Amino acid sequence: KAGVTQTPRYLIKTRGQQVTLSCSPISGHRSVSWYQQTPGQGLQFLFEYFSETQRNKGNFPGRFSGRQFSNSRSEMNVSTLELGDSALYLCASSDPSKDTEAFFGQGTRLTVV
Amino acid sequence: AQSVTQPDIHITVSEGASLELRCNYSYGATPYLFWYVQSPGQGLQLLLKYFSGDTLVQGIKGFEAEFKRSQSSFNLRKPSVHWSDAAEYFCAVGPNTGFQKLVFGTGTRLLVSP
Repeated sequence: KAGVTQTPRYLIKTRGQQVTLSCSPISGHRSVSWYQQTPGQGLQFLFEYFSETQRNKGNFPGRFSGRQFSNSRSEMNVSTLELGDSALYLCASSDPSKDTEAFFGQGTRLTVV
Repeated sequence: AQSVTQPDIHITVSEGASLELRCNYSYGATPYLFWYVQSPGQGLQLLLKYFSGDTLVQGIKGFEAEFKRSQSSFNLRKPSVHWSDAAEYFCAVGPNTGFQKLVFGTGTRLLVSP
C-alpha cells in the first residue's frame, strides 16, 4: 500500500512569487490535513479537507489556500511568498470513519529567498 | 485554548537506560492524545495513541504512554533505549472526532549516548 506522497520534496522560491504543493493521500483516505513546521513556531495546523470540502482551518493568512480533488488528492497554494513562509510543509491523510492513524508524508521543504 | 507542553527541549539518555518524555496538555473537551516521532528530513510516524479505556497504551518500537487525566499528562516511556531511537518526539492532542486539526507540542529531541 503506497504511503502519502508529497511533491515536490524541495522547492526554492523568491519573495513575492506563489507556490503550489501537492499531496496524494493513501488510497481510500478521504481526509487530508496540512501542517507547517518551522523551527520557531513548531508544527501548526493549516487546514483539513474532506470530500473536496474544507472542514477545518488554522490561523493562517488568506495567502494560504488549498483544495481537494474528487480523487482526494490535495494541493495547497501560498501566494505572495514571504521569507517567513520558509518551512517544511507536511500533509497527512486519514480515514475518519475508522480509529486509525493519520499517515504523514515526508513533506515539502520550501525555501523562500 | 488548546495547547500541548513538552517541557524538555533536549534529553540525553545512555543506550540501554530508561526514558520518559513529558507531555502536558490543555484541552476543553475529551481529547485524543498522540505521540509521534520524526527522524531528520522525514515526516511524522505515529508511535501510539490514546482514545479511551485503559490509560496505559502500548505503541510501536517498545514505547508506552500513560494517560493521567488528573494531571493532564500523557508521558511517553521506554524501558531500554536503543541508539536508533535518537529523533525528535512530538506529543499532540486532537478532537475526539479523529485525527484532524492536531495541536502539537514543541517537541523533545532525544540524543542517545553510547
